[in-house]
Amino acid sequence: EIVLTQSPGTLSLSPGERATLSCRASQSVSSSYLAWYQQKPGQAPRLLIYGASSRATGIPDRFSGSGSGTDFTLTISRLEPEDFAVYYCQQYGSSHDTLTFGGGTKVEIK
Amino acid sequence: QLQLQESGPGLVKPSETLSLTCTVSGGSISSSSYYWGWIRQPPGKGLEWIGSIYYSGSTYYNPSLKSRVTISVDTSKNQFSLKLSSVTAADTAVYYCARSVTTPSYYYGMDVWGQGTTVTVSS
Repeated sequence: EIVLTQSPGTLSLSPGERATLSCRASQSVSSSYLAWYQQKPGQAPRLLIYGASSRATGIPDRFSGSGSGTDFTLTISRLEPEDFAVYYCQQYGSSHDTLTFGGGTKVEIK
Repeated sequence: QLQLQESGPGLVKPSETLSLTCTVSGGSISSSSYYWGWIRQPPGKGLEWIGSIYYSGSTYYNPSLKSRVTISVDTSKNQFSLKLSSVTAADTAVYYCARSVTTPSYYYGMDVWGQGTTVTVSS
């Protein structure tokens, strides 16, 4: 079973700053099977990135994803007030029979 | 516009079975490449995938919950359902249903989510 470890647990930044969030897998993950979500308090998660680097419909281009193998990154180029939230990575198992979420990174206002 | 809506009891007694239904509107549950899943989130914690189902009835479950989980689909009602048996307080969570888009070689993520429903396990 693949474990996804996200770091840091909390990221304290100011609006306008760049956010870099890490998702590390316990074994190699296909880039085609890696997604990122944003969740705000009291709301359902929202798909941001799929295929490690493709933005979902309607997602601003300040959000970008990258990485391969065991190391993946979500970057928010310039934080907007609405970007302060919790972010989760997710992988779809190569045997097509499992999904796993990382533990999440909270991006909070400094 | 596709919408998902969870429904079911908000309070379940310990040792009983939690039952939830997700109603799909604005689209067909029988479309190819779509899987329909359940995800939960305990208070103050992260997301946990419970399991997913294809319209044909093919399922896959989180190994940690597999012995207690059954997910089924009713294409005539455009619904899919979750049953979680022998619940304890640890099963208290917000339960979400969601659509995922999957092909044999690509995963497009969970792109449509329900608003979530809170289930409390307590006597």
